[in-house]
Amino acid sequence: QLHLQESGPGLVEPSETLSLTCTVSGVSITSSSYYWGWIRQPPGKGLDWIGTIYYSGSTYYNPSLESRVTMSVDTSKHQLSLKLTSVTAADTAVYYCARHPRTTWTYPPVGPLDGWGQGTLVTVSS
Amino acid sequence: DIVMTQSPDSLAVSLGERATINCKSSQGVLYSSNNKNYLAWYQQRPGQPPKLLIYWTSIRESGVPDRFSGSGSGTDFTLTISSLQAEDVAVYYCQQYYTTPFTFGPGTKVDIK
Repeated sequence: QLHLQESGPGLVEPSETLSLTCTVSGVSITSSSYYWGWIRQPPGKGLDWIGTIYYSGSTYYNPSLESRVTMSVDTSKHQLSLKLTSVTAADTAVYYCARHPRTTWTYPPVGPLDGWGQGTLVTVSS
Repeated sequence: DIVMTQSPDSLAVSLGERATINCKSSQGVLYSSNNKNYLAWYQQRPGQPPKLLIYWTSIRESGVPDRFSGSGSGTDFTLTISSLQAEDVAVYYCQQYYTTPFTFGPGTKVDIK
């Protein structure tokens, strides 16, 4: 059974770098059947897709964040990583990692987000 | 970007009654090669992460009660809860996964009347 667990600092200072990890269990992070996504939700607001990554390292970022975001996969630790630089108060949100099943035809070839972590709240404040 | 809109913003329905949520995309999410609409619905209960309910417009995720159904095509989609239960109180989001950036609707809050 898939289990995703986000972890990282709950408080980040403005202009610093937000760094989160997501530990994946119950399924291999290197499975060719899945891609992995990051999504965030500002308090009381809706959902924003940050980006998606394949275990091989292929990444797809939201253009609105692309200049500040880096995603990676550490297969030895079964972990996903998210880094967001130069944060401001607007980056305060609950950050989720999630799984996409792999599909065909579209680019990237992914389906919906069929498994989510519990999320971790990151507050940007001095 | 494909902009997703939802209506209404919120609705209150009596237990056992029908709830209908509409979702509209600013451009089509139908991929002609496989004739599939890349549209999903999620349920987010208070304090919980979103949960996938419906994908490919109308396919229920495993374990989702059959009172939830999805329909639509092109740019107009609907989520229907045929007989509202207390545990259905939540915010519901539609999402397109047709093209990046993947985008969500603003959400529809469902409450008990």
